[in-house]
Amino acid sequence: SQELEQSPQSLIVQEGKNLTINCTSSKTLYGLYWYKQKYGEGLIFLMMLQKGGEEKSHEKITAKLDEKKQQSSLHITASQPSHAGIYLCGAERRAGYALNFGKGTSLLVTP
Amino acid sequence: SAVISQKPSRDICQRGTSLTIQCQVDSQVTMMFWYRQQPGQSLTLIATANQGSEATYESGFVIDKFPISRPNLTFSTLTVSNMSPEDSSIYLCSVVSSGQGWIDTQYFGPGTRLTVL
Repeated sequence: SQELEQSPQSLIVQEGKNLTINCTSSKTLYGLYWYKQKYGEGLIFLMMLQKGGEEKSHEKITAKLDEKKQQSSLHITASQPSHAGIYLCGAERRAGYALNFGKGTSLLVTP
Repeated sequence: SAVISQKPSRDICQRGTSLTIQCQVDSQVTMMFWYRQQPGQSLTLIATANQGSEATYESGFVIDKFPISRPNLTFSTLTVSNMSPEDSSIYLCSVVSSGQGWIDTQYFGPGTRLTVL
């Protein structure tokens, strides 16, 4: 079965700093999702990547899928307290749309 | 995109009882999933609930414990039966719907936070 490893597990950054979260898969990625979760709440869709080398941006968040489609990164520029939360990567299974998830990266942004 | 609501948002239940969680979508969708997120853990797929077919359960989850109904393309229920404290989790439904660029994208509901005493 596919395993997704996220790093780092947790991150504390000062407001205004940039940061990167990585998601590495044990198998080829067919569709890679990034979500944000506030404590105890549902998942907010951020971006979905499908093609090797693909890069998408929304506001100050950029996600990339490497050419070999086994790793993705999420980069936040000029972090703000509103970016705090748990970031989860999810990978589509080869058959169907169900997702396998990484363990998440907890982000805290300090003033 | 799809807007998903879940009821109840949270509940505290006694062991041995059952709870039915509802998932309502604002548009017709074929594919729907139920996930569980145990405290401090990531999400685990419970079952796939596509309309027109029986729910398909993942290893470790059985229909007697987690019966699912999918009566139409906008609604589903998940029942957690004969609950024990180990069932304390956040339960989330998700759907696949057209996103940006008409690409099928998976969206999640707000979750149901269940505590079993």
